Amino acid sequence: GAVVSQHPSRVICKSGTSVKIECRSLDFQATTMFWYRQFPKQSLMLMATSNEGSKATYEQGVEKDKFLINHASLTLSTLTVTSAHPEDSSFYICSARDRTGTGGYTQYFGPGTRLTVL
Amino acid sequence: GQQLNQNPQSMFIQEGEDVSMNCTSSSIFNTWLWYKQDPGEGPVLLIALYKAGELTSNGRLTAQFGITRKDSFLNISASIPSDVGIYFCAGQLGGNTPLVFGKGTRLSVIA
Repeated sequence: GAVVSQHPSRVICKSGTSVKIECRSLDFQATTMFWYRQFPKQSLMLMATSNEGSKATYEQGVEKDKFLINHASLTLSTLTVTSAHPEDSSFYICSARDRTGTGGYTQYFGPGTRLTVL
Repeated sequence: GQQLNQNPQSMFIQEGEDVSMNCTSSSIFNTWLWYKQDPGEGPVLLIALYKAGELTSNGRLTAQFGITRKDSFLNISASIPSDVGIYFCAGQLGGNTPLVFGKGTRLSVIA
């Protein structure tokens, strides 16, 4: 299947700093990527939909000025957590959508980034 | 946000047993996907279903897209220790709509 990478896999930062997470589709082009957040023992929560060349669409309750998303190319989307606070500590997972041979879409996920804010 | 009803929430089985889990929804989906997530990792796609009634296998895994478009099940035959993990179902209405996830089924396999 298609491969999605994320970097870094783990980051620890001080409160008030900004953290950038990269998501890349390695063997396909993705016009649409998604950013999720997952708390322990819970399901994935969609934060935003990232479309190449246009502004991201944020889910209700997600602060767009705090979680900056840039989808500058068909293989790269970035999520920047600005002025991070301890409550932003979580597992962030990106996903990229690939077109199937039958015309539908399948989503593939990255390995996730564990963010810890001290 | 919207979520699917996924059952069971957790299960403990003996190695070699078969496993069955399902997802139901009050609304229809045009795509059903099943993922497995290991601790500290992102979900890995197991099976994708695109047509109502479709039955698809991937090794010891079999999944079906319910004929009503409102449900799907995943079966695992002859479970082994590496099947341990959290299994998520996800439904999608259309190509431009986001996935809706179930809450997951946590599978434990006792050797």
